[in-house]
Amino acid sequence: GAVVSQHPSRVICKSGTSVKIECRSLDFQATTMFWYRQFPKQSLMLMATSNEGSKATYEQGVEKDKFLINHASLTLSTLTVTSAHPEDSSFYICSAKGQGQSSYNEQFFGPGTRLTVL
Amino acid sequence: LAKTTQPISMDSYEGQEVNITCSHNNIATNDYITWYQQFPSQGPRFIIQGYKTKVTNEVASLFIPADRKSSTLSLPRVSLSDTAVYYCLVDMNRDDKIIFGKGTRLHILP
Repeated sequence: GAVVSQHPSRVICKSGTSVKIECRSLDFQATTMFWYRQFPKQSLMLMATSNEGSKATYEQGVEKDKFLINHASLTLSTLTVTSAHPEDSSFYICSAKGQGQSSYNEQFFGPGTRLTVL
Repeated sequence: LAKTTQPISMDSYEGQEVNITCSHNNIATNDYITWYQQFPSQGPRFIIQGYKTKVTNEVASLFIPADRKSSTLSLPRVSLSDTAVYYCLVDMNRDDKIIFGKGTRLHILP
């Protein structure tokens, strides 16, 4: 199947700093990428949907000025957590969907990024 | 969006067949049913997808009755490594979004 990578896999930062997480589709062009957040023992929560070359669509309750999403190319989307606070500590997961995938609307998930804000 | 209901958790033993049933009473005509598996600190992994009747691949089978209001993921001869959270998803046809329910935490015992 198609491969999606995330970088970094884990990051620790101080409160008030900004952190950028990259999501790459390695062997296919991702027309749409999604960003999720997952707290311990909970399900994945969709944060936003991004399409290449256009502004991201944020889910209700997600601050677009705090979670900046850029989908500048068909293989790369970035999530920047601005002015991070301890409550932003979470597991961030991206997924990608591309044209020509074999399964109907199948999305491929990255391995996730563990963010810890001190 | 169609809501899915799954058991919160299940226990089974190595070598057994495990069946996880998901209810999706409001499934729409164009919706497919998809199951994902997630291990701790990893992204979800696609297991199987179907629209009706039965689908089988190398890791699982998916049974969907004629009314499509439920589906059952069947894992044959589970091992300890099948311990994970399993998510049943529908609404794959609308806006490409995947909305995850709470999932079923499967624990395989030796």
